Amino acid sequence: DADVTQTPRNRITKTGKRIMLECSQTKGHDRMYWYRQDPGLGLRLIYYSFDVKDINKGEISDGYSVSRQAQAKFSLSLESAIPNQTALYFCATSEWGETGELFFGEGSRLTVL
Amino acid sequence: GNSVTQMEGPVTLSEEAFLTINCTYTATGYPSLFWYVQYPGEGLQLLLKATKADDKGSNKGFEATYRKETTSFHLEKGSVQVSDSAVYFCALQGAQKLVFGQGTRLTINP
Repeated sequence: DADVTQTPRNRITKTGKRIMLECSQTKGHDRMYWYRQDPGLGLRLIYYSFDVKDINKGEISDGYSVSRQAQAKFSLSLESAIPNQTALYFCATSEWGETGELFFGEGSRLTVL
Repeated sequence: GNSVTQMEGPVTLSEEAFLTINCTYTATGYPSLFWYVQYPGEGLQLLLKATKADDKGSNKGFEATYRKETTSFHLEKGSVQVSDSAVYFCALQGAQKLVFGQGTRLTINP
């Protein structure tokens, strides 16, 4: 089993629908991240969390929200999906003090029609 | 603010060719630098890193040297293989988080 698991792996939805992407990890890391990947734009940080009580906005948090339900679980929600949120979303984890060494899930491809 | 600029792709090479993917950065201080690789259908994984000036990171035949004077961290490999086909991302460690370049897609033909 993967250390960082994302569900669903693929999702097609319609404009205005609420979508939740889930991430769970077995690495025991405190820090978790959600990134978005778009062609030619690299990875952009949406939200990050350094522990269960800590949530921080990244560079593109508008239109998204997160929930850190436990050390091992970090969910990303799109309250009302729009087509320009069509992208590949990655969850990642890191150890405390090792912010640069991230461990990524396999990604969740979201298409908003 | 912190930023990373990579050479634009895609890059296509023949097997056994020499590879260079350029990466330059803008940052305050001297951040740690990283190269990540994304194979088709997978998440990113750390390829190599360097934590201070003149450090050389290396892994799987790839190398990159932290050049403070030119603010660069170019990725090199002497002889690429078809299995090296992937997207490569340069990144720097900013304040509590990683900043990525836009990625360079590499295709190696047999």
